[in-house]
Formats: sequence, structure tokens, C-alpha cells
Amino acid sequence: DQQVKQNSPSLSVQEGRISILNCDYTNSMFDYFLWYKKYPAEGPTFLISISSIKDKNEDGRFTVFLNKSAKHLSLHIVPSQPGDSAVYFCAASPVGGGADGLTFGKGTHLIIQP
Amino acid sequence: DAGVIQSPRHEVTEMGQEVTLRCKPISGHDYLFWYRQTMMRGLELLIYFNNNVPIDDSGMPEDRFSAKMPNASFSTLKIQPSEPRDSAVYFCASSLEIQETQYFGPGTRLLVL
Repeated sequence: DQQVKQNSPSLSVQEGRISILNCDYTNSMFDYFLWYKKYPAEGPTFLISISSIKDKNEDGRFTVFLNKSAKHLSLHIVPSQPGDSAVYFCAASPVGGGADGLTFGKGTHLIIQP
Repeated sequence: DAGVIQSPRHEVTEMGQEVTLRCKPISGHDYLFWYRQTMMRGLELLIYFNNNVPIDDSGMPEDRFSAKMPNASFSTLKIQPSEPRDSAVYFCASSLEIQETQYFGPGTRLLVL
């Protein structure tokens, strides 16, 4: 059973517009959430994170929103740029880190069209 | 720092052969993680170490898989014997603390024929 779900395998957005990537989780023990970005033939790189005590965290063009009651988080990229084309993984960690480290979603392939 | 280093970058082997993947974490990081990425299952945590000690290996698929961390700067993931269904990209990652950002290596792309 997947505890972190990214239901959109791919997303196509026009350059300059907003990209919104969604992630749902089922484990109520998760309290720390991260987004990773992955280019082909490279390892995932950390993008942005949010703790459950917050509902929003912003870093430049990237903003992550957390809705704890809905067990949902989203990553907003605005404006979208061609270099943003990559696979984005949502990841979650339980309270105190837990025994399992990070649990990842399957990823969403974001394609920015010129 | 050079980041997390993995070798080899690519490995092609025949079914039944032993495969050893290697990882050098970022210096000073106390946690080391091994992940496997497949199309079907995405990124799965296989095992992680804290200060060279395996903490949770519940993600290791079978007894054919084993991992060691003989010192703070080196870890191996071994598959013996390998099977075609082991074909995947294997990532190593390290972090300062369990809930801190994990830094990933470039991965080893394994193909078992």
C-alpha cells in the first residue's frame, strides 16, 4: 500500500505559467515533507521542504503548501522555466525520523513547453 | 565536497552472477541510505545505516540482497545471485540526521540479463 501518492505520472505546462504538482499521503505520523527534483541519469536533488507546523514554505519560484487535514501537499512553480523539466518526487518522514527514513511517491514528470 | 559517490555508474551482468554496488557518502554524514528505483514501484528504501550500523533492512527484497558499511566512508550493496527482476537504478544517499535533507549519488544502473 502506497503511503505517499503522486497520482499524475506526467504534467505538461507552458513556459511562464504556473506548475502545480500534487502529493497525497495516508500515514498520519508523517510530519516532515520534502520535494526532490530528478534529471535523467542523475540522482534526485533536494528542492524544498516543509514541517507539519507550517502550511506554507516559499523559496524563490518554489512554494510548497501543506494541508494536514486533507493529507495533501502541493508544489507550485511560478513562473515555470524550461530547466524545470524533470521528474519531481514527493517524500515524507514520520515524527522523529522514524524507522523508515523517507517514503517517496512514484514521481511526476513535469514537461515545460516553450 | 564531491557529494555522494557511487560506482559503477552502469553494470550489465548475467543472471546468477554476483553484483556489488559501492557508495561513498558525504564526509561527516551519519546516515547512509540505499534506494532502488523502478518504473513499477518508484523509489524504495532498501536499508539505512546510522554510524555504520544497519538500523532498518526491512526494505531489502530477499536474502539475495545484503549491505555492509565497514567504515564511515564506504558502503556496499551486494546481490548474489542476481536475477533479471533486479534490474533497476540503485541510489545511495546520505544525511546528517535522519530527518535532514538526504543527498543522493548519481545512481548505478543495473541490468541483469
